Amino acid sequence: QTVVTQESSLTVSPGGTVTLTCASSTGPVTSDFHPSWFQQKPGRAPRALIHSSTDRHSWTPARFSGALIGGKAALTVSGVLPEDEADYYCLLYCRGVRLFGGGTKLTVL
Amino acid sequence: EVQLVESGGGLVQPGRSLTLSCQGSGFDLDGYAMHWVRQGPGKGLEWVAGISWNSVTMDLADSVKGRFIISRDNAKNCLYLQLDSLRIEDTATYYCARDLNYGDFLVPESWGQGTLVIVAS
Repeated sequence: QTVVTQESSLTVSPGGTVTLTCASSTGPVTSDFHPSWFQQKPGRAPRALIHSSTDRHSWTPARFSGALIGGKAALTVSGVLPEDEADYYCLLYCRGVRLFGGGTKLTVL
Repeated sequence: EVQLVESGGGLVQPGRSLTLSCQGSGFDLDGYAMHWVRQGPGKGLEWVAGISWNSVTMDLADSVKGRFIISRDNAKNCLYLQLDSLRIEDTATYYCARDLNYGDFLVPESWGQGTLVIVAS
């Protein structure tokens, strides 16, 4: 059974930079996995941030960027703001199956 | 403005059925593939089902195959999820989402606020 793995939690200081990663148990993540990233704040619906590995949605602030790094999908947040504190989920298309990662809780402290 | 409003959730006994609806506004549903995604209480997101713009292609997560059916009525701008043989582990907030594209359902872009389904006796 395919598993998508993310860091369970990360902490970053305001103004800092943090990278979240997303790995597949099937092997290196490539563009064929169509990686997407989502942000979710408590009590709110998820909001799409990144699609197709690197592309921002029209509403996504420029401080959020996506990449493929070392066989994983990655989401980097630069110049972190307190409002970026949230849960972040990746979504991969793995061998015909659409799977979310378990999510990363990002704390801004 | 794109809006998606889910309805139909509620408390249901194990083994019973429920149908969720997702009403779209501010756009034409027939231009987009659509998704259902759920989130159990205190848990992460789980992709549940997807359907192409013309209903030719559909897919369901293994956890709901044979029990859930996804469908759409483009004339009504509405997406549906029929939930049969409900189990306690199906308890979750169910979100509908519009895809970025019309064909392959790979990018849930715009999301509704969700409807809560509680399966309990």
